[in-house]
Amino acid sequence: GDSVTQMEGPVTLSEEAFLTINCTYTATGYPSLFWYVQYPGEGLQLLLKATKADDKGSNKGFEATYRKETTSFHLEKGSVQVSDSAVYFCALSDHTGGFKTIFGAGTRLFVKA
Amino acid sequence: DTGVSQDPRHKITKRGQNVTFRCDPISEHNRLYWYRQTLGQGPEFLTYFQNEAQLEKSRLLSDRFSAERPKGSFSTLEIQRTEQGDSAMYLCASSEGLAGQETQYFGPGTRLLVL
Repeated sequence: GDSVTQMEGPVTLSEEAFLTINCTYTATGYPSLFWYVQYPGEGLQLLLKATKADDKGSNKGFEATYRKETTSFHLEKGSVQVSDSAVYFCALSDHTGGFKTIFGAGTRLFVKA
Repeated sequence: DTGVSQDPRHKITKRGQNVTFRCDPISEHNRLYWYRQTLGQGPEFLTYFQNEAQLEKSRLLSDRFSAERPKGSFSTLEIQRTEQGDSAMYLCASSEGLAGQETQYFGPGTRLLVL
């Protein structure tokens, strides 16, 4: 079945460092890919998405490119801030075989001042 | 637009008791999802409604779990004869737009503890 694997955390970075959080997926169809973020004490919210191969999603300085050949959707940011400290979830949605959305286990990011 | 709301936010119950959670989606959204999230894990899909029709249920959803969405508005998730393994955060999300590509808007969740 469909699945999402993302790098284990926690990831600890200093402010202004470069961030990469790896995400790979397995899907039988042609899924849409998402990154959701959960800030401390808040609910999950969409960070960015890409709906077809080679699309790049971007928001708040974060980017991720839908790579069909490597089945990946890695999240990157050039310069992290303390306010980026949160848990990041990679997810896929493939409604050709049903309606479920599959989430990865999440990666916790700590950014130090 | 007041967002997705869930009630209660916290529930403590004894093993064997029944519990019911409520989700109020964003008013114009026709899709509604229930997920379960345990510590250190991502949300796991439980069930999905399009309007009032329940279109998919996960195999995680045993016979003790039932969900409804009467009139296609709010939804309830009931757990009968709770077990300690049911302790988790129960999340509701709603969405609209092109199926499979839509953004899901999540509620704050209901945290269940079964003693």
